[in-house]
Amino acid sequence: EPEVTQTPSHQVTQMGQEVILRCVPISNHLYFYWYRQILGQKVEFLVSFYNNEISEKSEIFDDQFSVERPDGSNFTLKIRSTKLEDSAMYFCASSAGQGSYGYTFGSGTRLTVV
Amino acid sequence: DAKTTQPTSMDCAEGRAANLPCNHSTISGNEYVYWYRQIHSQGPQYIIHGLKNNETNEMASLIITEDRKSSTLILPHATLRDTAVYYCIVRGMNSGYSTLTFGKGTMLLVSP
Repeated sequence: EPEVTQTPSHQVTQMGQEVILRCVPISNHLYFYWYRQILGQKVEFLVSFYNNEISEKSEIFDDQFSVERPDGSNFTLKIRSTKLEDSAMYFCASSAGQGSYGYTFGSGTRLTVV
Repeated sequence: DAKTTQPTSMDCAEGRAANLPCNHSTISGNEYVYWYRQIHSQGPQYIIHGLKNNETNEMASLIITEDRKSSTLILPHATLRDTAVYYCIVRGMNSGYSTLTFGKGTMLLVSP
């Protein structure tokens, strides 16, 4: 069964450092997403990406965040200057379409900012 | 998108059917009911979705009431590996990309 692959599984970084989280969506999917989950809290939407541009973003996705699809397979989330409160699980997801299509999520990257 | 209400937690004995209810009394005609689950610290996993008719796949069955104001996810023979948080989400056919909105879900504990 096709999977969404995320790397690394766990990243520890110092406050103020830049991090890049990587995702390989399912190959024939067209819509890509990042979600995050702070420990013990809900899964929260960050951003959606379609046709090489951001489609929607939440209030969480401020100027410190950016996304990119640098080639035909990878989808990345960059946090420019990490804060302690950025510590969370970050999930990448992809879908074949909108509306009635389900999302396939990756297994996540646990980001710890110290 | 319509709001959903789910019990905070439920228990089920291994091998028995797990019936997880969801109330979505404000659902509108073009909104689907989706179910996802999240096994501890893993990414959410799509289970099933439906519009009006009952649906079944290899994982579960989805029963939607005739008035569409509530639904039940059925795991026919629950196993220990089905212990997870189950999310009922209502989402319109023409919803924007962001509207897969997760609530608190139902924590299902399957015991031996």
